[in-house]
Amino acid sequence: NAGVTQTPKFRILKIGQSMTLQCTQDMNHNYMYWYRQDPGMGLKLIYYSVGAGITDKGEVPNGYNVSRSTTEDFPLRLELAAPSQTSVYFCASSYLGLTSGELFFGEGSRLTVL
Amino acid sequence: DAKTTQPNSMESNEEEPVHLPCNHSTISGTDYIHWYRQLPSQGPEYVIHGLTSNVNNRMASLAIAEDRKSSTLILHRATLRDAAVYYCILSLNFGNEKLTFGTGTRLTIIP
Repeated sequence: NAGVTQTPKFRILKIGQSMTLQCTQDMNHNYMYWYRQDPGMGLKLIYYSVGAGITDKGEVPNGYNVSRSTTEDFPLRLELAAPSQTSVYFCASSYLGLTSGELFFGEGSRLTVL
Repeated sequence: DAKTTQPNSMESNEEEPVHLPCNHSTISGTDYIHWYRQLPSQGPEYVIHGLTSNVNNRMASLAIAEDRKSSTLILHRATLRDAAVYYCILSLNFGNEKLTFGTGTRLTIIP
């Protein structure tokens, strides 16, 4: 199993550009999550999904959109990139969700907005 | 929302036990206590989680105070690979998937 795979690993955007961070998992997990981590800080939840077709906002959803059309994929869309979105983005998945299972994280996608 | 408080940093000698404390005085009855760690330039890695009873797995032990207002992650024999930032986190409510990480404790292992 590859686990949780994120692409791209690095990206530089100009202010106002848009892009999609890809996340796919091959563990047949129902739950998927997107977090962002600013330098020297902990992780903040952007969006999560408890299954295909179901998504919900986390702590910091503004400026982002998600979709979950399949169990495997959970892309994160950035519209009109801003310098405040410069961060490392982590995707995670879980079979049973937080209270009864562990989260498996990808290696992260480092985004810089100039 | 219940918060956790952890020391910013700790040091420990290699091959000795490490006790990482976490205070969560406003924890509710249905909040799970989770521990994750993050090695440099990597995504977080699950360590252990529990509700009321002490928990053990091959990585660590979790000791939960009787009143659940604090907990301790125990690494029984630290190695250099255990140097990481350790996060103590609460699930906000049972069935709620919103898990937010604080700044954690940076653990340094001294050879």
